[in-house]
Amino acid sequence: DSGVTQTPKHLITATGQRVTLRCSPRSGDLSVYWYQQSLDQGLQFLIHYYNGEERAKGNILERFSAQQFPDLHSELNLSSLELGDSALYFCASSVQGGGAWNEQFFGPGTRLTVL
Amino acid sequence: AQSVAQPEDQVNVAEGNPLTVKCTYSVSGNPYLFWYVQYPNRGLQFLLKYITGDNLVKGSYGFEAEFNKSQTSFHLKKPSALVSDSALYFCAVRSAYSGAGSYQLTFGKGTKLSVIP
Repeated sequence: DSGVTQTPKHLITATGQRVTLRCSPRSGDLSVYWYQQSLDQGLQFLIHYYNGEERAKGNILERFSAQQFPDLHSELNLSSLELGDSALYFCASSVQGGGAWNEQFFGPGTRLTVL
Repeated sequence: AQSVAQPEDQVNVAEGNPLTVKCTYSVSGNPYLFWYVQYPNRGLQFLLKYITGDNLVKGSYGFEAEFNKSQTSFHLKKPSALVSDSALYFCAVRSAYSGAGSYQLTFGKGTKLSVIP
């Protein structure tokens, strides 16, 4: 158990809908990263938050957004869902104030299925 | 831009034999390199990392990895494979000079390791 929690574990929804994925980082970790894992694209970095501030964006669609709250949990919002958005979504956290050499700890993921 | 290549989609090895999972990388400046393992329906688990120093890094569950700067490689190894090692293995890289204070990882496509009893 990495100490990172994600809810829900599974999510099934229809095209055009909007969903919210939630992540709670390990105690004390200020950084939260979101990744998307799909069969064709592999593991893709989406976005990074540090202590409530957005630090970097990767291959994140405009239909997707995220935020990190004062209690450090993070939410990833996916809207106008398309079939191709079906994937595993992971969040990861890393050590408070850590440098680039610190490993990230991954949550169990949320499996999103868009029908 | 940084990138990782894992040239083998699948590696099969007999239980008790040594295993190697290959990884090559491209990054500006010095690399920080990581190996993660993913079991079915689970998140990624950290195995080991290279930051600097000794080119042979030891990690969890008896795994080790060898950093080779001239070949830009970071191959994962284990002297004696177990059936329970069967999983998906990911190599990842980030640059020591990420800039903008962000340290996102770039992952390879993953290598499925099957250890045959």
